[in-house]
Amino acid sequence: DAGVIQSPRHEVTEMGQEVTLRCKPISGHNSLFWYRQTMMRGLELLIYFNNNVPIDDSGMPEDRFSAKMPNASFSTLKIQPSEPRDSAVYFCASSPGLSGDTQYFGPGTRLTVL
Amino acid sequence: GEDVEQSLFLSVREGDSSVINCTYTDSSSTYLYWYKQEPGAGLQLLTYIFSNMDMKQDQRLTVLLNKKDKHLSLRIADTQTGDSAIYFCAGDDYGSGNTGKLIFGQGTTLQVKP
Repeated sequence: DAGVIQSPRHEVTEMGQEVTLRCKPISGHNSLFWYRQTMMRGLELLIYFNNNVPIDDSGMPEDRFSAKMPNASFSTLKIQPSEPRDSAVYFCASSPGLSGDTQYFGPGTRLTVL
Repeated sequence: GEDVEQSLFLSVREGDSSVINCTYTDSSSTYLYWYKQEPGAGLQLLTYIFSNMDMKQDQRLTVLLNKKDKHLSLRIADTQTGDSAIYFCAGDDYGSGNTGKLIFGQGTTLQVKP
């Protein structure tokens, strides 16, 4: 298996633009997680899905952030409009979703908002 | 909910042992994990321990779990420059059911000096 795939790997955009980050989880995994990592705040869980259903989005910073999982093999995280403080590395992770199962992380998308 | 805390930085000399510590608040976690993040990469599972174990050894890695004190540690023997990375401890979130959700600490940056 190719592992968790994220695209793009790097994104540079200007303040006010819409940004869409994409994730393909490992086939057969039931849970998908979106994280944000910054020097100041460390690793933060933004939202996670189980069987394509959002379970907990309490980590989403504000209404500018939204996430979807239309099917078991694809998820998006959208920021509209983007702001410089959104600059971070965004990770997607997937898990089989059973007790004791680990999470498998993608390589991350480094977002820079100018 | 679960809270996981780690010291932020550790510096050792090549060949020495490294000990990275972690404390957690919720003793209902079934599994506790150590992840490693190398520069520019996602988190990767290093090792884990089942909550009814006190110790687990895997080559140069030794995990110690003190459930009474809610303390987890990772010892790396004969530390090499390639071990320089950020190390995260994590516990499964028992309260979230079978979703694979984990609670991560802030991460400890291990610097290995030659």
